[in-house]
Order: sequence, then C-alpha cells, then structure tokens
Amino acid sequence: DGGITQSPKYLFRKEGQNVTLSCEQNLNHDAMYWYRQDPGQGLRLIYYSQIVNDFQKGDIAEGYSVSREKKESFPLTVTSAQKNPTAFYLCASSLRDSSGNEQFFGPGTRLTVL
Amino acid sequence: AQSVTQPDIHITVSEGASLELRCNYSYGATPYLFWYVQSPGQGLQLLLKYFSGDTLVQGIKGFEAEFKRSQSSFNLRKPSVHWSDAAEYFCAFTGGGNKLTFGTGTQLKVEL
Repeated sequence: DGGITQSPKYLFRKEGQNVTLSCEQNLNHDAMYWYRQDPGQGLRLIYYSQIVNDFQKGDIAEGYSVSREKKESFPLTVTSAQKNPTAFYLCASSLRDSSGNEQFFGPGTRLTVL
Repeated sequence: AQSVTQPDIHITVSEGASLELRCNYSYGATPYLFWYVQSPGQGLQLLLKYFSGDTLVQGIKGFEAEFKRSQSSFNLRKPSVHWSDAAEYFCAFTGGGNKLTFGTGTQLKVEL
C-alpha cells in the first residue's frame, strides 16, 4: 500500500539534545512538508521541499533543520535551539504543480522534551 | 493577508442530528479549499476539496461542503452525525501551488 510513514510514534528528548524525526513516502510525490501541531493552533508549516536537494523555510523554521537527499525521505531535526519543541509533528507529501494538490499525511510523531 | 478562520473551537451534537462546521477565508481570488479530519493522535485525512465548478462538493463519510463566494465561506455539513464522527476538523486553502494554510480546527463531540 502506498502511504507515508513516520517514526518513531513517540519520542522523548532531554533538553539540549538534537533529535531527528523520520518521514518516508512511497507515493512518488515530489513535494514533502513538515508541520507542527499544538493544541488550539492548527497546523503550522516548518519546512517544505518541492524537489530533491531543495527545501524552503515555512512559517516557523527557527530551531529546525531538514534535508532532502532522496525523493522518498524528508527527515526533520529538532535542534537544541528550538525553545519549545514539545509538540505533535506531522509529515505530508503531494504532487508538485500549481493546481492546489491534496496533501497526504503521515500518522505523526509526538515529541516530548523532559 | 491570506487566512482561514474556523469560528467554532468546540461543537457538540447529538448522534443523528445534523452538523454544520463553519469556515471562512480571506483571499483576493477563488481559492482551492479543503476539509480534513483528524482522529486523536493520528494524521489528517482529506474529506473533500473544492477547486472550481459545482459549488456543492460531496466527500467521503457522507460529508458535503458548499462554496459561497459572496460570503467567503466553505462550510462542512452532514445530515446525520454518527458517534464515529467525533474528531477534529480542519479547513485549509491555497491560492495555487503547494502551500496550504490551515484553520485552527473545530473539535466535534458527539453525544449518544
């Protein structure tokens, strides 16, 4: 079955540590996205990538980094510079063109900073 | 500024009752509009989308939405709610391209 996988489902981190969240898709989509979700705030875009080896900052990129070395993979690193990293993180993918394509979402990773 | 607003943070309906969730957008042209649903601790699933044409859009799970340009709205409706519809619902839009702007969500509770 085609879809998006995120791992791990739950992640615990000590303050001051970097942590990397995995996102893999087998939908053959060019575009991939990372969102952060906090209660009452909806989804906020962290980074997005429309093609391999290229990515752009979203609305809340500070304290995060990404890479896009393969079409299927778009890992997100939450660095120690992110002041409030505890949140639910969602990865998504879509076709890449100008027609407002549907985004397909993974099941999410819940990150808790201890 | 481009934005989407969901005025209702929480809504409670009885099972079998009708449902309407509100969504208003601010954009200078006709947007591409989406409704997504999220069960607790899960990702988002697309319910329906509007790009152009017929302003009444049918989606999955018995949901429909109506685009009203004059009111800048795209409200989600269901004639008879089931207990399994309890979830959080997000309206989203784009003016074209791949970046979606999401509303803050409406949490639906269904009373048995």
